[in-house]
Amino acid sequence: KAGVTQTPRYLIKTRGQQVTLSCSPISGHRSVSWYQQTPGQGLQFLFEYFSETQRNKGNFPGRFSGRQFSNSRSEMNVSTLELGDSALYLCASSLRVQGAGGEAFFGQGTRLTVV
Amino acid sequence: GNSVTQMEGPVTLSEEAFLTINCTYTATGYPSLFWYVQYPGEGLQLLLKATKADDKGSNKGFEATYRKETTSFHLEKGSVQVSDSAVYFCALDSGGSNYKLTFGKGTLLTVNP
Repeated sequence: KAGVTQTPRYLIKTRGQQVTLSCSPISGHRSVSWYQQTPGQGLQFLFEYFSETQRNKGNFPGRFSGRQFSNSRSEMNVSTLELGDSALYLCASSLRVQGAGGEAFFGQGTRLTVV
Repeated sequence: GNSVTQMEGPVTLSEEAFLTINCTYTATGYPSLFWYVQYPGEGLQLLLKATKADDKGSNKGFEATYRKETTSFHLEKGSVQVSDSAVYFCALDSGGSNYKLTFGKGTLLTVNP
């Protein structure tokens, strides 16, 4: 069974540009979450999608957005990039519908560098 | 809100030493608890989990017991190997329909031969 696939693995962008990251979940998983990992702030939750609906959102500015398609693949977009957006962006998929349980499986991440 | 506190690293051990990484949490209700491991340049891998009080999660020689009375989920391994060198994250999921993991800051473990 294929794992969570994130593309691209590495990105270099200039301040002010926008970027789109992609995530393909494990087959059958309908929940997709995104996390930002930085040395200073650690792992922070961005948002979670289930069946094309955003169910939960973290404390990030509106420049960070996402969506999920009918095949459960998800994209996140960051507009007007800032230097502080440089981070490892991790996607996780889960079987969880509601309630506890259904652990998250993570992709290898996209390393975004803003210059 | 929910929070996870884990011991600050880095932790440096010799091969075959005993490992403990402390983790305590604050959460409402009955969260599920997890340990994830991250190797250099990689994403997170689930190491073990526990979904209710007194559950013991175990995998690859690592163990952790869900202690509700002390709100703790400490990670232990009796004999570490060089290949265990990585960053370890404690995390909780408070359940409900909104799936969100809350992570600790991570603990860097280095095991020397």
